[in-house]
Amino acid sequence: EAQVTQNPRYLITVTGKKLTVTCSQNMNHEYMSWYRQDPGLGLRQIYYSMNVEVTDKGDVPEGYKVSRKEKRNFPLILESPSPNQTSLYFCASSSPGLGDTQYFGPGTRLTVL
Amino acid sequence: AQSVAQPEDQVNVAEGNPLTVKCTYSVSGNPYLFWYVQYPNRGLQFLLKYITGDNLVKGSYGFEAEFNKSQTSFHLKKPSALVSDSALYFCAVRATSGGSYIPTFGRGTSLIVHP
Repeated sequence: EAQVTQNPRYLITVTGKKLTVTCSQNMNHEYMSWYRQDPGLGLRQIYYSMNVEVTDKGDVPEGYKVSRKEKRNFPLILESPSPNQTSLYFCASSSPGLGDTQYFGPGTRLTVL
Repeated sequence: AQSVAQPEDQVNVAEGNPLTVKCTYSVSGNPYLFWYVQYPNRGLQFLLKYITGDNLVKGSYGFEAEFNKSQTSFHLKKPSALVSDSALYFCAVRATSGGSYIPTFGRGTSLIVHP
């Protein structure tokens, strides 16, 4: 089944404790991206990647890191999480071409205390 | 830069009535336009997209959207709403050339269909 998976689905952590949210897709998509969803703000793009070893900042990259060492994986790293990073995070993938559709993961709900 | 505006935070409609969820966009050049739906506690699902050609696009679950270049709009419509259509709807745009090739999303519109 074609899908995007994220782990963990739920995470409660404390300020300053490094964490990684994994994202993996099995559709051989070139493009991958991370979004955060906050009430009243909708979806905001954090980072995106157009291919292996190619990443770029989105609209709200501060406090986040990403890497793209393999085509299928695009982990999101929070080196020192803070409470303002409490949010719902989505990973998405797509393939270039005519009007590529994004496929979204199920989301990771992160709470930073 | 590309951007999307969804002017309504919430749309209320009675079951069986037509519904419209509004979206306007800004992008350099020609756009690719998308609508996604998010049901409670779920990820986003693709509904429909405009690439080129016919301005009226038909998608999943009986939804359609009309691309209007002069008004830079891409409103989502359905002739007869169902209670099960209640969800959060996102419009997205990306440029057909240049830029990041990753869509920019609007803030979302909550659709509530009353029985």
